[in-house]
Amino acid sequence: KNEVEQSPQNLTAQEGEFITINCSYSVGISALHWLQQHPGGGIVSLFMLSSGKKKHGRLIATINIQEKHSSLHITASHPRDSAVYICAADYGGSQGNLIFGKGTKLSVKP
Amino acid sequence: DAGITQSPRHKVTETGTPVTLRCHQTENHRYMYWYRQDPGHGLRLIHYSYGVKDTDKGEVSDGYSVSRSKTEDFLLTLESATSSQTSVYFCAISNLWDSGNTIYFGEGSWLTVV
Repeated sequence: KNEVEQSPQNLTAQEGEFITINCSYSVGISALHWLQQHPGGGIVSLFMLSSGKKKHGRLIATINIQEKHSSLHITASHPRDSAVYICAADYGGSQGNLIFGKGTKLSVKP
Repeated sequence: DAGITQSPRHKVTETGTPVTLRCHQTENHRYMYWYRQDPGHGLRLIHYSYGVKDTDKGEVSDGYSVSRSKTEDFLLTLESATSSQTSVYFCAISNLWDSGNTIYFGEGSWLTVV
């Protein structure tokens, strides 16, 4: 069964800290997505990557295909980064379906 | 922001009543999905559509039906709502690319079945 595991489940940080959220998947994928869900529910796509590393502002996403592992890093964290971060694996089915992790709830304290 | 709207955004209904949630897109994306989100679970696929009148079941399709008569609209129907269908429902759209798909989500519909 294709699965996606995230860690940690919950994370509390002080403003300014460097944050890492991890995601592992069970078999080969065509792409890995990182999503952000704010209180109130809206889900926004942050990154889609199939190899290497992508950066957008203070957010960095990396993927190691051999180890079946991806990380999302937040540099100089801020309270507005508080949200649930979700990784999702695209196993390449023709329908484009994704398998989602359960999410990491991040709280950044001022 | 991708043009996706869900309606209604919030609904309380009684057990046994039919409920229809609507997803409307202005992006002309081929693929549309309905997910449900529950505590302790990741987003789970209910049904998806890969074109007008082309739909298929997802992981948790029991008790749900869908229809897509136009590219822009994807309807999710609970024929006879049960308390286990209390959840947050998200519509999503995507177009597939060789390297994967970029996916966009609606704002969610909160459904409570009492």
